[in-house]
Amino acid sequence: AQTVTQSQPEMSVQEAETVTLSCTYDTSESDYYLFWYKQPPSRQMILVIRQEAYKQQNATENRFSVNFQKAAKSFSLKISDSQLGDAAMYFCAYRSDNTDKLIFGTGTRLQVFP
Amino acid sequence: DSGVTQTPKHLITATGQRVTLRCSPRSGDLSVYWYQQSLDQGLQFLIQYYNGEERAKGNILERFSAQQFPDLHSELNLSSLELGDSALYFCASSVDISGNTIYFGEGSWLTVV
Repeated sequence: AQTVTQSQPEMSVQEAETVTLSCTYDTSESDYYLFWYKQPPSRQMILVIRQEAYKQQNATENRFSVNFQKAAKSFSLKISDSQLGDAAMYFCAYRSDNTDKLIFGTGTRLQVFP
Repeated sequence: DSGVTQTPKHLITATGQRVTLRCSPRSGDLSVYWYQQSLDQGLQFLIQYYNGEERAKGNILERFSAQQFPDLHSELNLSSLELGDSALYFCASSVDISGNTIYFGEGSWLTVV
């Protein structure tokens, strides 16, 4: 069975600085998708970024980028120029190519200090 | 706004009662998912429907059931409620079942007292 591990329960960063959130996963499959979701205090789950395993190029969305290391089964999220609004829980998630459900990690709470 | 609509947003009910949570997926999305988020279990997949048919089941209790209607909206029915059922219940949807991004609603916060 696939598993997703987020080993950092909490992280903090100063405004305008860069922070990296870690995620590792375990799978025997070769085709899959990885996601980072943000959950602010409002509790809504907001998609931050998505990566297809078959793509070697790391995904980027404005200030958010990932470091996808397929062989190491690692999928970290880098937030550049951190803003106060980035404070939230961040969940890493895995989706197999032949099942539809998302498997989530336990989340990392990110605090942003002015 | 993800386009996924859930009602009610908050619900308080007593143990032993039954509640129904409703979800309207994004326009054009055929696949609907239900997830439960609780403090002790984290985010757990409950069940998925695709175009009216059940497609996948996760850690859904026998006291819980769901369905997807011809207009593609979905309902999650929770019965014989226990204190431990208190959680945030998310509905999510995606266009189809081939790896597309899953978009989440704002959740229905259920408190069982």
